[in-house]
Amino acid sequence: SAVISQKPSRDICQRGTSLTIQCQVDSQVTMMFWYRQQPGQSLTLIATANQGSEATYESGFVIDKFPISRPNLTFSTLTVSNMSPEDSSIYLCSVEGTGSHEQYFGPGTRLTVT
Amino acid sequence: KQEVTQIPAALSVPEGENLVLNCSFTDSAIYNLQWFRQDPGKGLTSLLLIQSSQREQTSGRLNASLDKSSGRSTLYIAASQPGDSATYLCAVKKETSGSRLTFGEGTQLTVNP
Repeated sequence: SAVISQKPSRDICQRGTSLTIQCQVDSQVTMMFWYRQQPGQSLTLIATANQGSEATYESGFVIDKFPISRPNLTFSTLTVSNMSPEDSSIYLCSVEGTGSHEQYFGPGTRLTVT
Repeated sequence: KQEVTQIPAALSVPEGENLVLNCSFTDSAIYNLQWFRQDPGKGLTSLLLIQSSQREQTSGRLNASLDKSSGRSTLYIAASQPGDSATYLCAVKKETSGSRLTFGEGTQLTVNP
């Protein structure tokens, strides 16, 4: 299994500002994933982040709005830029275990935009 | 495009009951299926992982089955307890699209003392 931590756990931000969310894993992993969970809804994949290459974004998500860094095999950041109230969600990072391909999730970052 | 549906959306049962949560998916070409638990405002806890070649997995009071050809999975919870109250999500990994998961909408379970 993998132990994942995220910072911050929650934040309240003003419209038009940006927030960077950090994700730290206790082991080296090839792929890290960023998901969004809007209120009352299920999870939607934002992008997949591989170390040493540009992140791959899902349809409906763009790099200018959600820039991602992946400087090494245990760490990634997701920035939510120029925020609006519609960005209020829980943001979760995830990694895949080797062998079984089981996915593990961090505790999430609860973002509220006012 | 893979779609995952979970029924029922919400379920309320008295403590001690056995219950079944259902998950269906439209594309049977999956690599594996995973059941998660999510407590309010929290992250996801992996409960069970079933590979596409398997028919069921068990962990304690939980048993998950998979019928890949019909696109269905069930999560059976035996002797439910108030601590089981949470949202249960199923997610499938498609064979040909790398490691992304497609999630269902979840079943919100309440177990009453």
